[in-house]
Amino acid sequence: ETGVTQSPTHLIKTRGQQVTLRCSSQSGHNTVSWYQQALGQGPQFIFQYYREEENGRGNFPPRFSGLQFPNYSSELNVNALELDDSALYLCASSLGQVDSYEQYFGPGTRLTVT
Amino acid sequence: AQSVTQLGSHVSVSEGALVLLRCNYSSSVPPYLFWYVQYPNQGLQLLLKYTSAATLVKGINGFEAEFKKSETSFHLTKPSAHMSDAAEYFCAVSDPISSGSARQLTFGSGTQLTVLP
Repeated sequence: ETGVTQSPTHLIKTRGQQVTLRCSSQSGHNTVSWYQQALGQGPQFIFQYYREEENGRGNFPPRFSGLQFPNYSSELNVNALELDDSALYLCASSLGQVDSYEQYFGPGTRLTVT
Repeated sequence: AQSVTQLGSHVSVSEGALVLLRCNYSSSVPPYLFWYVQYPNQGLQLLLKYTSAATLVKGINGFEAEFKKSETSFHLTKPSAHMSDAAEYFCAVSDPISSGSARQLTFGSGTQLTVLP
């Protein structure tokens, strides 16, 4: 069974640029959630995708957007990067909408915005 | 929305001593509760979960947690700390995203556990 994978591991961008982060869900999981973890804090929910549709969103602006593909992999896109976007971005997969409370996390992508 | 409070951002114990990490939640409905562990530069690993079955939940690596509804608590314990337990620990509650059945995780701010030799 393949776990959740994320790419890239680390990324450095300049303020105002755009970034795309990628996530492959655990085998058999059809739901993907994205979280932002700022330094020294707990993860905060960005949004969730289920069967290629956005399923819910946390308190993040529209410049945070996402996609889910037919194979259930997912992308997180952030436009007009700000310094405060520097964080660890975590992807989590789960099986089904109802069981989406049991989420399995990838290793994360560390984004630094300068 | 539900919330989670972790008392003590840093906890230090000696190797072999009891580990106690505190978590309190607020919820208007029966909660689903979780403990995750995060090692440096890694993602989150699920330690254990409470989903309204037994109130004493056993997890991996010798950890367990007890759900106490009257105290709205879900504290994490381990009888004997090991050096490899040094990590950051997060308590989380499963929170409905909307009126549908999908759920998000709401995390506490974390507790950094240091194990002293």
